[in-house]
Amino acid sequence: KAGVTQTPRYLIKTRGQQVTLSCSPISGHRSVSWYQQTPGQGLQFLFEYFSETQRNKGNFPGRFSGRQFSNSRSEMNVSTLELGDSALYLCASSERPSTDTQYFGPGTRLTVL
Amino acid sequence: AQTVTQSQPEMSVQEAETVTLSCTYDTSESNYYLFWYKQPPSRQMILVIRQEAYKQQNATENRFSVNFQKAAKSFSLKISDSQLGDTAMYFCASDSGNTPLVFGKGTRLSVIA
Repeated sequence: KAGVTQTPRYLIKTRGQQVTLSCSPISGHRSVSWYQQTPGQGLQFLFEYFSETQRNKGNFPGRFSGRQFSNSRSEMNVSTLELGDSALYLCASSERPSTDTQYFGPGTRLTVL
Repeated sequence: AQTVTQSQPEMSVQEAETVTLSCTYDTSESNYYLFWYKQPPSRQMILVIRQEAYKQQNATENRFSVNFQKAAKSFSLKISDSQLGDTAMYFCASDSGNTPLVFGKGTRLSVIA
């Protein structure tokens, strides 16, 4: 099976802009989670989706949002970008939410100038 | 709330030697899962090993094994016969099923030839 894919792999934006990141899970996986990775904060949970429903949301401002489509693909959106949003955004998929092993994509490197 | 602590920010080991990475966790859940993930410099997060808390037997995957001490809430990773390709960041993580995956800050392991 193909692994988790994320597009784009690299992105450069300026403050105030918005960005949409995409994640395609492993075939058959219905749960998708998003994480933000920074050198200072490490890996922080953003949100988790299962069958198009958000199950959990991390402690991030409302500028961060996401959704999941009927084919389990997921997108996350960050509006009004800030310098501190520069990070590696990782997507992970699993067959079911929580407890099942999550498999990670290569990530999207977002740089905000 | 779940917490995961990795007390060794950096470690190094000679090729072919054995190294142990430490991890402690805290959870109020009775049923939970523990993971070690590896993130090589290329950034793709890879599952190394998984342990179900209800299983007393320590998980093993080839050269990787864990020492799971449930009462002490300790979950260390032992890498035997270290190889240059083991150089990576190693993350310990905990998942209770009701809460999202929680990661430690990571241990940067360098394998020296």
